[in-house]
Amino acid sequence: AQSVAQPEDQVNVAEGNPLTVKCTYSVSGNPYLFWYVQYPNRGLQFLLKYITGDNLVKGSYGFEAEFNKSQTSFHLKKPSALVSDSALYFCAVRPYNYGQNFVFGPGTRLSVLP
Amino acid sequence: DVKVTQSSRYLVKRTGEKVFLECVQDMDHENMFWYRQDPGLGLRLIYFSYDVKMKEKGDIPEGYSVSREKKERFSLILESASTNQTSMYLCASSPLRFRPAGPPLSTDRQYFGPGTRLTVL
Repeated sequence: AQSVAQPEDQVNVAEGNPLTVKCTYSVSGNPYLFWYVQYPNRGLQFLLKYITGDNLVKGSYGFEAEFNKSQTSFHLKKPSALVSDSALYFCAVRPYNYGQNFVFGPGTRLSVLP
Repeated sequence: DVKVTQSSRYLVKRTGEKVFLECVQDMDHENMFWYRQDPGLGLRLIYFSYDVKMKEKGDIPEGYSVSREKKERFSLILESASTNQTSMYLCASSPLRFRPAGPPLSTDRQYFGPGTRLTVL
Protein backbone atom coordinates (compact mmCIF):
# COMPACT_ATOMS: atom_id res chain seq x y z
CA ALA A 1 0.00 0.00 0.00
CA GLN A 2 1.11 3.55 -0.65
CA SER A 3 1.95 5.47 2.52
CA VAL A 4 3.69 8.54 3.81
CA ALA A 5 5.15 8.81 7.29
CA GLN A 6 6.08 11.89 9.25
CA PRO A 7 7.70 10.38 12.32
CA GLU A 8 7.44 13.48 14.50
CA ASP A 9 4.08 14.87 15.59
CA GLN A 10 5.75 18.00 16.91
CA VAL A 11 9.05 19.76 16.24
CA ASN A 12 10.27 22.61 18.43
CA VAL A 13 13.13 24.84 17.38
CA ALA A 14 14.49 28.17 18.56
CA GLU A 15 14.25 31.15 16.24
CA GLY A 16 17.38 31.50 14.14
CA ASN A 17 18.29 27.81 14.39
CA PRO A 18 18.07 25.42 11.46
CA LEU A 19 14.97 23.26 11.25
CA THR A 20 14.23 19.87 9.75
CA VAL A 21 10.83 18.25 9.32
CA LYS A 22 11.11 14.60 8.35
CA CYS A 23 9.18 12.62 5.76
CA THR A 24 9.57 9.07 4.51
CA TYR A 25 7.42 7.32 1.97
CA SER A 26 6.55 3.89 0.70
CA VAL A 27 5.22 3.85 -2.84
CA SER A 28 5.89 1.85 -5.94
CA GLY A 29 7.96 3.34 -8.69
CA ASN A 30 9.35 6.85 -8.67
CA PRO A 31 6.96 9.20 -6.95
CA TYR A 32 6.62 12.94 -7.17
CA LEU A 33 7.00 14.53 -3.74
CA PHE A 34 5.45 17.64 -2.24
CA TRP A 35 5.46 19.75 0.89
CA TYR A 36 2.48 21.84 1.94
CA VAL A 37 2.07 24.17 4.93
CA GLN A 38 -1.12 24.98 6.81
CA TYR A 39 -1.39 28.07 8.97
CA PRO A 40 -4.11 28.21 11.64
CA ASN A 41 -7.64 28.15 10.20
CA ARG A 42 -6.32 28.18 6.66
CA GLY A 43 -6.16 25.73 3.78
CA LEU A 44 -2.95 24.10 2.63
CA GLN A 45 -0.38 26.18 0.78
CA PHE A 46 2.12 24.68 -1.63
CA LEU A 47 5.78 24.98 -0.57
CA LEU A 48 7.78 22.92 -3.03
CA LYS A 49 7.91 19.73 -5.06
CA TYR A 50 10.42 17.23 -6.35
CA ILE A 51 9.84 15.88 -9.84
CA THR A 52 13.23 14.86 -11.13
CA GLY A 53 16.80 16.11 -11.35
CA ASP A 54 18.72 17.77 -8.53
CA ASN A 55 17.98 16.10 -5.21
CA LEU A 56 17.89 19.45 -3.40
CA VAL A 57 14.75 21.40 -4.19
CA LYS A 58 14.22 25.03 -3.23
CA GLY A 59 10.77 26.38 -2.51
CA SER A 60 8.82 29.25 -1.01
CA TYR A 61 9.72 31.23 2.12
CA GLY A 62 13.34 29.99 2.18
CA PHE A 63 12.44 26.32 2.56
CA GLU A 64 14.22 23.52 0.77
CA ALA A 65 13.90 19.76 0.73
CA GLU A 66 16.30 16.95 0.05
CA PHE A 67 15.24 13.86 -1.83
CA ASN A 68 17.07 10.67 -0.86
CA LYS A 69 16.05 7.75 -3.01
CA SER A 70 17.94 5.06 -1.09
CA GLN A 71 16.36 6.13 2.19
CA THR A 72 12.99 6.94 0.57
CA SER A 73 12.99 10.27 2.37
CA PHE A 74 12.12 13.84 1.52
CA HIS A 75 13.01 15.97 4.52
CA LEU A 76 12.06 19.64 4.67
CA LYS A 77 14.74 22.07 5.84
CA LYS A 78 15.35 25.72 6.49
CA PRO A 79 18.71 27.20 7.53
CA SER A 80 17.27 29.78 9.95
CA ALA A 81 13.78 29.39 11.44
CA LEU A 82 11.37 32.28 11.97
CA VAL A 83 8.56 32.48 14.51
CA SER A 84 6.21 32.96 11.56
CA ASP A 85 7.18 29.49 10.27
CA SER A 86 5.15 27.97 13.10
CA ALA A 87 2.46 25.91 11.36
CA LEU A 88 1.39 22.40 10.40
CA TYR A 89 3.45 20.81 7.64
CA PHE A 90 2.30 18.02 5.37
CA CYS A 91 4.37 15.82 3.13
CA ALA A 92 2.57 14.32 0.14
CA VAL A 93 3.45 11.95 -2.66
CA ARG A 94 1.95 11.52 -6.07
CA PRO A 95 2.60 7.85 -6.81
CA TYR A 96 3.67 6.73 -10.22
CA ASN A 97 0.81 5.17 -12.14
CA TYR A 98 -1.77 5.89 -9.51
CA GLY A 99 -4.16 8.17 -11.28
CA GLN A 100 -4.74 11.53 -9.71
CA ASN A 101 -4.62 10.57 -6.06
CA PHE A 102 -2.12 12.21 -3.78
CA VAL A 103 -1.19 10.47 -0.54
CA PHE A 104 -0.65 12.75 2.45
CA GLY A 105 1.31 12.21 5.63
CA PRO A 106 -0.29 12.83 9.06
CA GLY A 107 1.35 16.22 9.46
CA THR A 108 4.04 17.67 11.74
CA ARG A 109 3.39 20.69 13.91
CA LEU A 110 6.37 23.04 13.91
CA SER A 111 6.76 25.51 16.75
CA VAL A 112 9.48 28.12 16.48
CA LEU A 113 10.20 29.68 19.84
CA PRO A 114 11.36 33.30 20.11
CA ASP B 1 -3.68 33.74 -8.43
CA VAL B 2 -5.83 30.68 -8.32
CA LYS B 3 -8.67 31.05 -5.90
CA VAL B 4 -10.59 28.20 -4.33
CA THR B 5 -13.43 29.26 -2.07
CA GLN B 6 -15.63 27.27 0.27
CA SER B 7 -19.11 28.39 1.23
CA SER B 8 -18.64 28.31 5.00
CA ARG B 9 -15.68 28.50 7.36
CA TYR B 10 -17.61 27.08 10.30
CA LEU B 11 -20.77 25.00 10.31
CA VAL B 12 -22.75 23.40 13.12
CA LYS B 13 -25.39 20.80 12.28
CA ARG B 14 -27.52 18.24 14.11
CA THR B 15 -27.33 14.48 13.69
CA GLY B 16 -29.50 13.36 10.81
CA GLU B 17 -29.49 16.68 8.96
CA LYS B 18 -28.58 16.86 5.29
CA VAL B 19 -25.47 19.01 4.86
CA PHE B 20 -24.15 20.71 1.74
CA LEU B 21 -20.57 21.94 1.47
CA GLU B 22 -19.86 24.04 -1.59
CA CYS B 23 -16.55 24.66 -3.32
CA VAL B 24 -15.86 27.02 -6.21
CA GLN B 25 -12.63 27.52 -8.17
CA ASP B 26 -12.04 30.37 -10.58
CA MET B 27 -9.24 29.03 -12.78
CA ASP B 28 -11.06 26.64 -15.07
CA HIS B 29 -9.38 23.61 -13.48
CA GLU B 30 -10.35 20.17 -14.68
CA ASN B 31 -10.00 18.28 -11.42
CA MET B 32 -11.57 18.93 -8.03
CA PHE B 33 -11.20 17.07 -4.77
CA TRP B 34 -12.79 16.79 -1.34
CA TYR B 35 -10.68 15.79 1.65
CA ARG B 36 -11.32 15.55 5.33
CA GLN B 37 -8.59 16.43 7.77
CA ASP B 38 -8.39 14.88 11.22
CA PRO B 39 -5.58 15.22 13.77
CA GLY B 40 -2.93 12.54 13.35
CA LEU B 41 -4.52 11.21 10.17
CA GLY B 42 -3.55 13.88 7.70
CA LEU B 43 -5.78 14.41 4.69
CA ARG B 44 -7.97 11.60 3.46
CA LEU B 45 -9.58 11.74 0.05
CA ILE B 46 -13.37 11.44 0.06
CA TYR B 47 -14.25 11.98 -3.62
CA PHE B 48 -12.76 13.62 -6.66
CA SER B 49 -14.05 14.73 -10.02
CA TYR B 50 -12.18 15.08 -13.27
CA ASP B 51 -14.96 16.55 -15.35
CA VAL B 52 -18.48 17.91 -15.14
CA LYS B 53 -20.92 15.24 -13.96
CA MET B 54 -18.04 12.81 -13.42
CA LYS B 55 -16.98 11.57 -9.99
CA GLU B 56 -14.69 8.98 -8.51
CA LYS B 57 -14.59 7.54 -5.01
CA GLY B 58 -11.59 8.27 -2.90
CA ASP B 59 -10.41 6.39 0.16
CA ILE B 60 -13.33 7.15 2.51
CA PRO B 61 -16.52 7.79 0.47
CA GLU B 62 -18.96 6.13 2.88
CA GLY B 63 -21.60 8.53 4.15
CA TYR B 64 -20.84 11.14 1.50
CA SER B 65 -21.90 11.97 -2.03
CA VAL B 66 -20.83 14.69 -4.44
CA SER B 67 -22.20 16.74 -7.29
CA ARG B 68 -20.47 18.54 -10.10
CA GLU B 69 -23.01 20.20 -12.38
CA LYS B 70 -20.67 23.00 -13.46
CA LYS B 71 -16.94 22.92 -14.01
CA GLU B 72 -16.16 25.51 -11.38
CA ARG B 73 -18.33 24.06 -8.60
CA PHE B 74 -17.95 20.82 -6.63
CA SER B 75 -20.38 20.06 -3.82
CA LEU B 76 -19.98 17.58 -0.98
CA ILE B 77 -23.19 16.21 0.50
CA LEU B 78 -23.69 14.48 3.80
CA GLU B 79 -27.06 12.79 3.34
CA SER B 80 -27.60 12.22 7.07
CA ALA B 81 -24.92 13.80 9.20
CA SER B 82 -23.43 11.82 12.04
CA THR B 83 -21.15 12.84 14.89
CA ASN B 84 -18.22 10.92 13.39
CA GLN B 85 -18.35 13.29 10.44
CA THR B 86 -17.25 16.18 12.64
CA SER B 87 -14.06 17.28 10.92
CA MET B 88 -12.28 19.87 8.81
CA TYR B 89 -13.24 19.57 5.16
CA LEU B 90 -10.86 20.79 2.49
CA CYS B 91 -11.60 21.31 -1.16
CA ALA B 92 -8.83 21.38 -3.77
CA SER B 93 -8.50 21.76 -7.51
CA SER B 94 -5.79 20.99 -10.02
CA PRO B 95 -5.45 21.96 -13.66
CA LEU B 96 -4.71 18.68 -15.38
CA ARG B 97 -7.16 16.33 -16.92
CA PHE B 98 -7.40 13.00 -15.16
CA ARG B 99 -5.43 10.17 -16.63
CA PRO B 100 -6.03 6.65 -15.35
CA ALA B 101 -2.37 5.70 -15.49
CA GLY B 102 1.01 7.06 -16.30
CA PRO B 103 3.48 9.26 -14.49
CA PRO B 104 2.42 12.53 -12.89
CA LEU B 105 3.05 15.61 -14.97
CA SER B 106 5.63 18.09 -13.81
CA THR B 107 3.06 20.84 -13.38
CA ASP B 108 0.72 18.74 -11.29
CA ARG B 109 -0.13 20.21 -7.92
CA GLN B 110 -3.23 21.03 -5.95
CA TYR B 111 -4.71 24.35 -4.90
CA PHE B 112 -6.64 24.30 -1.64
CA GLY B 113 -9.57 26.25 -0.25
CA PRO B 114 -9.55 27.63 3.32
CA GLY B 115 -11.51 24.72 4.72
CA THR B 116 -14.86 24.24 6.45
CA ARG B 117 -14.87 23.13 10.06
CA LEU B 118 -18.03 21.07 10.48
CA THR B 119 -19.37 20.12 13.89
CA VAL B 120 -22.21 17.59 14.08
CA LEU B 121 -24.02 17.57 17.41
